[in-house]
Amino acid sequence: DTEVTQTPKHLVMGMTNKKSLKCEQHMGHRAMYWYKQKAKKPPELMFVYSYEKLSINESVPSRFSPECPNSSLLNLHLHALQPEDSALYLCASSQGTGGSYNEQFFGPGTRLTVL
Amino acid sequence: DQQVKQNSPSLSVQEGRISILNCDYTNSMFDYFLWYKKYPAEGPTFLISISSIKDKNEDGRFTVFLNKSAKHLSLHIVPSQPGDSAVYFCAASAGGNKLVFGAGTILRVKS
Repeated sequence: DTEVTQTPKHLVMGMTNKKSLKCEQHMGHRAMYWYKQKAKKPPELMFVYSYEKLSINESVPSRFSPECPNSSLLNLHLHALQPEDSALYLCASSQGTGGSYNEQFFGPGTRLTVL
Repeated sequence: DQQVKQNSPSLSVQEGRISILNCDYTNSMFDYFLWYKKYPAEGPTFLISISSIKDKNEDGRFTVFLNKSAKHLSLHIVPSQPGDSAVYFCAASAGGNKLVFGAGTILRVKS
């Protein structure tokens, strides 16, 4: 299995809602990532989990809360988002750190719209 | 400060010809470089990579060239096919988990 899966594919939420994005990989990868991508822009790193521990938080607002329940799963909990948070949210995984171990494989993304 | 730059926002190529996508970087600590392809509304797909100890890596129709002294890399696609039409991102890594992406180049292959 060489796939990273993400659910849901699309999500529309109000500014007072609480929702979660889910990501799963079964490649035995030990690093998992959340990215945000706006139209016509490159992916922007949000969080990195390495061996199930949060290793990088790119100064993301606290209304985004990541969680790594086990080595195959990664969640992103959303609360009190703003309309400018509307974007494609991408999950990725890699074997580990450095060199070819950092070849990241991306999921299809969740298209989030905040009303 | 943009550490990875793709200065051509778009490129148009005839089917069967060579596509050359360029990428420049400023951080001399980068030691691993990757190219990704992205279709609209999909996640990026890993294409090919190169370590800083090499100057060329080839995989089928895709070849990546690295010129460390010029801090420049390029992706060659030969022959180009209509299905290659997508956004191509160059990315670089300095040994940790973090990838730094360029802004992307839109490739259009005309049949």
